[in-house]
Amino acid sequence: NAGVTQTPKFRILKIGQSMTLQCTQDMNHNYMYWYRQDPGMGLKLIYYSVGAGITDKGEVPNGYNVSRSTTEDFPLRLELAAPSQTSVYFCASRSGGAGYEQFFGPGTRLTVL
Amino acid sequence: KQEVTQIPAALSVPEGENLVLNCSFTDSAIYNLQWFRQDPGKGLTSLLLIQSSQREQTSGRLNASLDKSSGRSTLYIAASQPGDSATYLCAVKNQAGTALIFGKGTTLSVSS
Repeated sequence: NAGVTQTPKFRILKIGQSMTLQCTQDMNHNYMYWYRQDPGMGLKLIYYSVGAGITDKGEVPNGYNVSRSTTEDFPLRLELAAPSQTSVYFCASRSGGAGYEQFFGPGTRLTVL
Repeated sequence: KQEVTQIPAALSVPEGENLVLNCSFTDSAIYNLQWFRQDPGKGLTSLLLIQSSQREQTSGRLNASLDKSSGRSTLYIAASQPGDSATYLCAVKNQAGTALIFGKGTTLSVSS
């Protein structure tokens, strides 16, 4: 199993540009998450999904959109990039049930100039 | 609102020392607590997961404890090695929520 994979690893955007961060998991997990990590801070939840076709906002959803058309994929869309979105983005997944551990992807480092 | 605090923010020890990293949380109604390791510029690696009904979990030189009533968890690392140098993150899963709530982490440096 590849686990959770993310692309790209690095990206530089100009203000106002758009992009999609890709996330794929091959563990047949129902639950998927997008977090952002700013320097010296813990991870904050952007959006999550409990299964294909079902998504919900997390703590910091403004400026982002998600979709979940398949169990494997959970892309994160930035429509109008702003410097405040400079961060490292992590995708994670877990199986169903309350107690199961989350598995994280390697992250996407995004800079908006 | 659940808040997770990790103290200290940074820790430097010589190789071979045993050490303890601390994690506290404000709401004791949690499903589980997870410890992660993060190397610079890398993703998160899960180290230990403690269910709310458990008191501790062990993996190799790592031992994590959980005291829900006091809102505390500790990660004990025995016989530290330079390869243990990383940031260690604590995260809790609330009963009311589906996502993890993270602390800011403790950055550990082990010198040879």
